[in-house]
Amino acid sequence: GAGVSQSPSNKVTEKGKDVELRCDPISGHTALYWYRQSLGQGLEFLIYFQGNSAPDKSGLPSDRFSAERTGGSVSTLTIQRTQQEDSAVYLCASSPGFRTGYQETQYFGPGTRLLVL
Amino acid sequence: QKEVEQDPGPLSVPEGAIVSLNCTYSNSAFQYFMWYRQYSRKGPELLMYTYSSGNKEDGRFTAQVDKSSKYISLFIRDSQPSDSATYLCAMGPGANSKLTFGKGITLSVRP
Repeated sequence: GAGVSQSPSNKVTEKGKDVELRCDPISGHTALYWYRQSLGQGLEFLIYFQGNSAPDKSGLPSDRFSAERTGGSVSTLTIQRTQQEDSAVYLCASSPGFRTGYQETQYFGPGTRLLVL
Repeated sequence: QKEVEQDPGPLSVPEGAIVSLNCTYSNSAFQYFMWYRQYSRKGPELLMYTYSSGNKEDGRFTAQVDKSSKYISLFIRDSQPSDSATYLCAMGPGANSKLTFGKGITLSVRP
């Protein structure tokens, strides 16, 4: 079966431009997570969706970052007015979301490598 | 102090060696402990999953959790060149919350 997919695989943009990163979770998974992986910082949580709602946005680093999820499936992470420090790999993960009192396995996509020049 | 600390390495061992990878943490709320493996330019994939304290074995891999010491380990027996990757510890409190990751350690197994 298909895993988590992300697009684009790579994105090069100029400082100040806006970018949109897309995540397609595993079919049927209601929980979706965005993480950022940068050199020296490891994997850092950005935002968590349960269905179309985001009960935890605590990891978004600034108001330039936003995310939405529609139809309980695809999610888009938008970075406005990109800065060089936004350069990183943006990873999306999904989990079934059925067992709310339990830490379900999170399945990761391949990531989007963002380079801001 | 970060919530999860992991020796950044890198670590290089000969084929067949026993590898020990470790993480410490400070948040007592963590109940679920995972090890992910990440190959170059790929997403992390789950390797081992443990709930609370104890040991779990899967083939050549053994995960140990000591909640009293806030210390988790991953042992790889008879290491193979195909084990060369970055290993990330991760943990969470449950309820489908975010995972908190260590920075990862890059392992190289020399033929």
